[in-house]
Amino acid sequence: DSGVTQTPKHLITATGQRVTLRCSPRSGDLSVYWYQQSLDQGLQFLIQYYNGEERAKGNILERFSAQQFPDLHSELNLSSLELGDSALYFCASNFYGASDTQYFGPGTRLTVL
Amino acid sequence: QKEVEQDPGPLSVPEGAIVSLNCTYSNSAFQYFMWYRQYSRKGPELLMYTYSSGNKEDGRFTAQVDKSSKYISLFIRDSQPSDSATYLCAFWSGGYNKLIFGAGTRLAVHP
Repeated sequence: DSGVTQTPKHLITATGQRVTLRCSPRSGDLSVYWYQQSLDQGLQFLIQYYNGEERAKGNILERFSAQQFPDLHSELNLSSLELGDSALYFCASNFYGASDTQYFGPGTRLTVL
Repeated sequence: QKEVEQDPGPLSVPEGAIVSLNCTYSNSAFQYFMWYRQYSRKGPELLMYTYSSGNKEDGRFTAQVDKSSKYISLFIRDSQPSDSATYLCAFWSGGYNKLIFGAGTRLAVHP
């Protein structure tokens, strides 16, 4: 158990809908990272927050957004969902915000029908 | 050319075998080299971490980095069925400030 928690575990929704994924980092960690893992694209970095501020952006679509709250938990919002958004979404955290060592949560499996 | 190439596998080996997992990379700026293990339906977990060329050993696992050839390997000795998982190589540089993952190699160790 990495200490990173994610909810929900599974999410099934329809195209065009909006969902919110939640992540709580390990106790004491200031930085949160979001990743998308699909069969054809592998594990892709989406976005990083450090102590409430956006630190780095990866291959994140404009339909997706994230934020980190004062209690350091983070939410990833996915809107206007498409079939291709079906994937595993992972959150990871570390203390310093340097990306080298990250601790991953169990993931949220999103299915868009 | 992809920034990171990882042997796709899948690999199927008998229990007790020595397993070699490999990745090549093209970006000389990569400073840190990692291996993550991912069990089915779980998040990746950090297995090995190194920043210099050479070997680093941890129990049955050895991580090898050759910066001149831009090649990293993970060796698993005396493989066990519990080692059955997908193994992901990962790279980080300060300039990118993000982890770049390989596509993963699925390993199955059968009794």
